[in-house]
Amino acid sequence: GAGVSQTPSNKVTEKGKYVELRCDPISGHTALYWYRQSLGQGPEFLIYFQGTGAADDSGLPNDRFFAVRPEGSVSTLKIQRTERGDSAVYLCASSEGTSSYNEQFFGPGTRLTVL
Amino acid sequence: DAKTTQPPSMDCAEGRAANLPCNHSTISGNEYVYWYRQIHSQGPQYIIHGLKNNETNEMASLIITEDRKSSTLILPHATLRDTAVYYCIVSPDYQLIWGAGTKLIIKP
Repeated sequence: GAGVSQTPSNKVTEKGKYVELRCDPISGHTALYWYRQSLGQGPEFLIYFQGTGAADDSGLPNDRFFAVRPEGSVSTLKIQRTERGDSAVYLCASSEGTSSYNEQFFGPGTRLTVL
Repeated sequence: DAKTTQPPSMDCAEGRAANLPCNHSTISGNEYVYWYRQIHSQGPQYIIHGLKNNETNEMASLIITEDRKSSTLILPHATLRDTAVYYCIVSPDYQLIWGAGTKLIIKP
């Protein structure tokens, strides 16, 4: 079946601009996660949704970052006033639930470059 | 910060078993050990997880020491496609805290 998809695959923007990154999770998965990965490092947790609500947004670095999941399926990560330090690969994952045995399925990521 | 320690890199010959170690000496009783891997330019892929007992699936085996302070991921017959960064993670729930992982290179 279809896995997690993310669009765009690459995004180049200028400092100060606004960007939106989209994630389509696996159908039926109630949990959705966003991570950020810098070169040579492991993914860094940003936010987790259970259904439509953000159950844990403790990983968002500051108030320029915001994410929504209005219908409990597709999610959008929004970054305002982008900075060069925001350049990274943004990964989305989904799982059936949030129990310890629920593996997270990852998308291919969106590579964001802020010039 | 990640609660695990892994060697930064390892080599293994194709067809041999790859044994990847992980130290997690501060693991709590309710924390599971997870292994994921990330092939270059792809998203991470789940491999296996366990709590106390050894686990095996179609991809790998997970051996957890009796005191749970360390574990080993075993890929029984490594192929070139197993070249990737392997992450060992301990967590009680959904929030996975990732370290830098072990870069495993399978050599022909």
